[in-house]
Amino acid sequence: DAGVTQSPTHLIKTRGQQVTLRCSPKSGHDTVSWYQQALGQGPQFIFQYYEEEERQRGNFPDRFSGHQFPNYSSELNVNALLLGDSALYLCASSFLRGYSGANVLTFGAGSRLTVL
Amino acid sequence: AQTVTQSQPEMSVQEAETVTLSCTYDTSENNYYLFWYKQPPSRQMILVIRQEAYKQQNATENRFSVNFQKAAKSFSLKISDSQLGDTAMYFCAFITPQGGSEKLVFGKGTKLTVNP
Repeated sequence: DAGVTQSPTHLIKTRGQQVTLRCSPKSGHDTVSWYQQALGQGPQFIFQYYEEEERQRGNFPDRFSGHQFPNYSSELNVNALLLGDSALYLCASSFLRGYSGANVLTFGAGSRLTVL
Repeated sequence: AQTVTQSQPEMSVQEAETVTLSCTYDTSENNYYLFWYKQPPSRQMILVIRQEAYKQQNATENRFSVNFQKAAKSFSLKISDSQLGDTAMYFCAFITPQGGSEKLVFGKGTKLTVNP
């Protein structure tokens, strides 16, 4: 059973460019969340997608946007890249169960973005 | 503000010995879940252990156990019989599951090295 898969694993961009990162959730999962992990830091929540809509958003500017497709896969787009956007971007998936309790997230191995 | 503090940036332990990683958190919510995640060099976040805040009994998973002190907002992780494969970054995190939220709040992590 494949877990969460992310692509690409590494990429290098220059300031001002745009980037798209992709995530396929674990089989049976319907919710995708994205996290940014800067070097030496813990991950920070960017946003969560469920039923193709953004359900919750962390403290990130509008340059960060996302999309979820009918097959539950997701993309993270970052426009007008800044040097500070260099980080590991983690995707996590789960099966949303409403208010019954916290879901256990399954994480991917991440996409390492370097902005020069 | 919701925060997680891990006061030990790095720790080391000899193989087969016991080590405890510290974590304190701050939230005004009464219903939340606490987690310890492990991130090896492969970068993928792996769930180690989970604790529901409404449960007084400390969670255990094989060699891993927690000391949950709700009043003190403390959630430490004890690793018994340490193994070389336990070498990794360890992150403490919590989530307040409102409306299916998947916003995990992470600490900055503790780098654990298990020496042979």
